[in-house]
Amino acid sequence: DQQVKQNSPSLSVQEGRISILNCDYTNSMFDYFLWYKKYPAEGPTFLISISSIKDKNEDGRFTVFLNKSAKHLSLHIVPSQPGDSAVYFCAASASGNTPLVFGKGTRLSVIA
Amino acid sequence: DAGVIQSPRHEVTEMGQEVTLRCKPISGHDYLFWYRQTMMRGLELLIYFNNNVPIDDSGMPEDRFSAKMPNASFSNLKIQPSEPRDSAVYFCASSLEFRQGNSDTQYFGPGTRLTVL
Repeated sequence: DQQVKQNSPSLSVQEGRISILNCDYTNSMFDYFLWYKKYPAEGPTFLISISSIKDKNEDGRFTVFLNKSAKHLSLHIVPSQPGDSAVYFCAASASGNTPLVFGKGTRLSVIA
Repeated sequence: DAGVIQSPRHEVTEMGQEVTLRCKPISGHDYLFWYRQTMMRGLELLIYFNNNVPIDDSGMPEDRFSAKMPNASFSNLKIQPSEPRDSAVYFCASSLEFRQGNSDTQYFGPGTRLTVL
């Protein structure tokens, strides 16, 4: 039973365009959300996060949007660059000693 | 800091053999996590430790899996006996705090790719 769902296994975007990666969750207790980025043969690295008290968090080319009523978050990358090609994992956590729950990941390919 | 170190990077073994995966967390981190990544299930948490003590091992799939953290700088994950369905990439991660925040994220090692024939 997947509590964090990334329904698109892959996404291809042209360089310079916007990349939008989506994530849905089912557990209403989740109040902190993160995106991790993973290159081949490397471990995931933290990219950006958002607390449930916010609906948007921006860091350079990366913006995460949170829609609590829809239990949906998205990661926007603008403009997309070839170096952004990686697998992106959405993760969520709830208050208290509950560990991160990860989605299955979305493979982004940015085409030059 | 060298980051989280995992060894070996690749392991190929035959069904029935014992497999030991090793992890050295970032110095000073109080939490250590073991994950398994597969195509079908994505990134799953197997077990995590706080100050060398196992806190939650509910993600460990079977009794064939065990993990220990004898000291703050080392943990191992053992599979005995190994089976083909254990083939996956196993990641170790560490963090300063449990609750994830911008400054307290989990730092992952490069992973061990395990193939059980």
